[in-house]
Amino acid sequence: DSGVTQTPKHLITATGQRVTLRCSPRSGDLSVYWYQQSLDQGLQFLIQYYNGEERAKGNILERFSAQQFPDLHSELNLSSLELGDSALYFCASSSPPGTGGAGYNEQFFGPGTRLTVL
Amino acid sequence: AQKVTQAQTEISVVEKEDVTLDCVYETRDTTYYLFWYKQPPSGELVFLIRRNSFDEQNEISGRYSWNFQKSTSSFNFTITASQVVDSAVYFCALSEPSFQGAQKLVFGQGTRLTINP
Repeated sequence: DSGVTQTPKHLITATGQRVTLRCSPRSGDLSVYWYQQSLDQGLQFLIQYYNGEERAKGNILERFSAQQFPDLHSELNLSSLELGDSALYFCASSSPPGTGGAGYNEQFFGPGTRLTVL
Repeated sequence: AQKVTQAQTEISVVEKEDVTLDCVYETRDTTYYLFWYKQPPSGELVFLIRRNSFDEQNEISGRYSWNFQKSTSSFNFTITASQVVDSAVYFCALSEPSFQGAQKLVFGQGTRLTINP
């Protein structure tokens, strides 16, 4: 158990709908990362938040947005869903910069949310 | 830009055989980090190893070993005496040093390893 929790575990919805995925980081971690694993694109980085602020951005669609709240949990919002958005969405968290040693902060992954768009 | 290539999409071997998973990476950074993750059928990502670019020592952990060669930009993973429980998708990943807290992992496409009894 990594200490990162994600809800829900599974989500089934229809095209055009909007969903929210939730992530709670490990205690003490200030950074939250979102990754998408799909058959077409593989595992790819979407976005990172650090202490409430966006810190790094990957290939995240405009229909997708994320935020990190004062209690450090994060939500990934997916709107106008398409069939191709069906994927496994992972959240990861890491400790504050400078505490990971050698310029890297270990990312601990949650169990993922499997989204199915019908 | 950073890129990780795992040319082997699928590998199937018989139990107790040794198997090597290949990983080739591209980066312009002189300092970087390489990783291997395992994704069993249950779906979670399991961290296996992290290697810094300035440490080219090979590592062995039980039946697992990793060979890091900067000269060929490769970070290969070998399982010795494979077992059915090793069946999973294995991902190689690359990260540059965090800058002002910004950091991301770039993953390869993964290699699906099937160990047959």
